[in-house]
Amino acid sequence: GESVGLHLPTLSVQEGDNSIINCAYSNSASDYFIWYKQESGKGPQFIIDIRSNMDKRQGQRVTVLLNKTVKHLSLQIAATQPGDSAVYFCAENMGQDQGAQKLVFGQGTRLTINP
Amino acid sequence: NAGVMQNPRHLVRRRGQEARLRCSPMKGHSHVYWYRQLPEEGLKFMVYLQKENIIDESGMPKERFSAEFPKEGPSILRIQQVVRGDSAAYFCASSQAGIYGYTFGSGTRLTVV
Repeated sequence: GESVGLHLPTLSVQEGDNSIINCAYSNSASDYFIWYKQESGKGPQFIIDIRSNMDKRQGQRVTVLLNKTVKHLSLQIAATQPGDSAVYFCAENMGQDQGAQKLVFGQGTRLTINP
Repeated sequence: NAGVMQNPRHLVRRRGQEARLRCSPMKGHSHVYWYRQLPEEGLKFMVYLQKENIIDESGMPKERFSAEFPKEGPSILRIQQVVRGDSAAYFCASSQAGIYGYTFGSGTRLTVV
């Protein structure tokens, strides 16, 4: 289930199950969104991105859904594996000009895969 | 392609000393971004630079912090007179002009004792 810890919200799922990580963004003018995965002691790693003119994009085992009406972003991970255990961050681009990026990150969700 | 290179990986400084963090962007990337991350928290934007220009420094503390990205060499994040509250992981990212999406380095973990 999902719970809120002292700092990061935590989601625990069984290996092989699907997981959904949610994110609310703040700026209705944001035109680009990214999900990053961060393992302990490492830098953020790109997972998948989506532009604001789309509402769904699929990658390998991952799907990002964008609901602009309620400013909500979700990351779905299919058939989770132990290596999926990490902190997941959504980010929105608040840069004002094309190519002038300023990614603002959400709080993050810690995903734990139980064997 | 070596990716975004940050050094040192770990840096220990005494209060009052200076910390210099270096970032070499990916080959062909002309935009550099610095972020700070406290334990169990998200990444906070600090500054966005292009070669020899600071584009957006809205996340930089007003005092003691500075950043540069010279024509030659890596980008440098400089923290003068460090205090314990500066202890954090500092991440650098780079991107190509006109292309969305960052690539992050592995970070520098600064500890102020």
